[in-house]
Amino acid sequence: DTGVSQDPRHKITKRGQNVTFRCDPISEHNRLYWYRQTLGQGPEFLTYFQNEAQLEKSRLLSDRFSAERPKGSFSTLEIQRTEQGDSAMYLCASSFGGGDGYTFGSGTRLTVV
Amino acid sequence: EDQVTQSPEALRLQEGESSSLNCSYTVSGLRGLFWYRQDPGKGPEFLFTLYSAGEEKEKERLKATLTKKESFLHITAPKPEDSATYLCAVRQSPHSGGSNYKLTFGKGTLLTVNP
Repeated sequence: DTGVSQDPRHKITKRGQNVTFRCDPISEHNRLYWYRQTLGQGPEFLTYFQNEAQLEKSRLLSDRFSAERPKGSFSTLEIQRTEQGDSAMYLCASSFGGGDGYTFGSGTRLTVV
Repeated sequence: EDQVTQSPEALRLQEGESSSLNCSYTVSGLRGLFWYRQDPGKGPEFLFTLYSAGEEKEKERLKATLTKKESFLHITAPKPEDSATYLCAVRQSPHSGGSNYKLTFGKGTLLTVNP
């Protein structure tokens, strides 16, 4: 068990470009979550998958954001036409059911210049 | 309004100087209060989940307690390696307007332990 893996660790992009992040959860975990964290703040919920179904999407996510989890395995988060306000740490977490402590990955740090 | 408020925002201790961090919450229908530790540039690392008032959990120098309105993270004889940001999060019951999966985090307490 290697934990939750996120790729890339860092991404610098120009405003207006599209970016995609990948998350590989713990293999036996059926639930997957995306959070966003800005400097000095706690993580904010973005979206949630149970197996391959996306069951909730926060109103924080504009139409420029889309997430998928094909076949209930890895997940991708895409941001289209990036803006400077999208600069943040994007965290992925997974769990088995709704039990104790979700396991977070190390995150992808996005910088939009 | 904030559902989770952590205090202090920052705390500086000398090695061996015990103290407590506070997490106040206003959600009804609590279905778990979570404590995480976060090192710079890394994701949160799970520490504890507490479910009901009066519950306590311990791990090494850390002890978490829960009342109906707040939780405390007690740090006994801290060491420099305990320096990190400590995050508190709550999960609210669906019967009270929450979900059984979404965590709402506070802003965290930045703990620095000097040798």
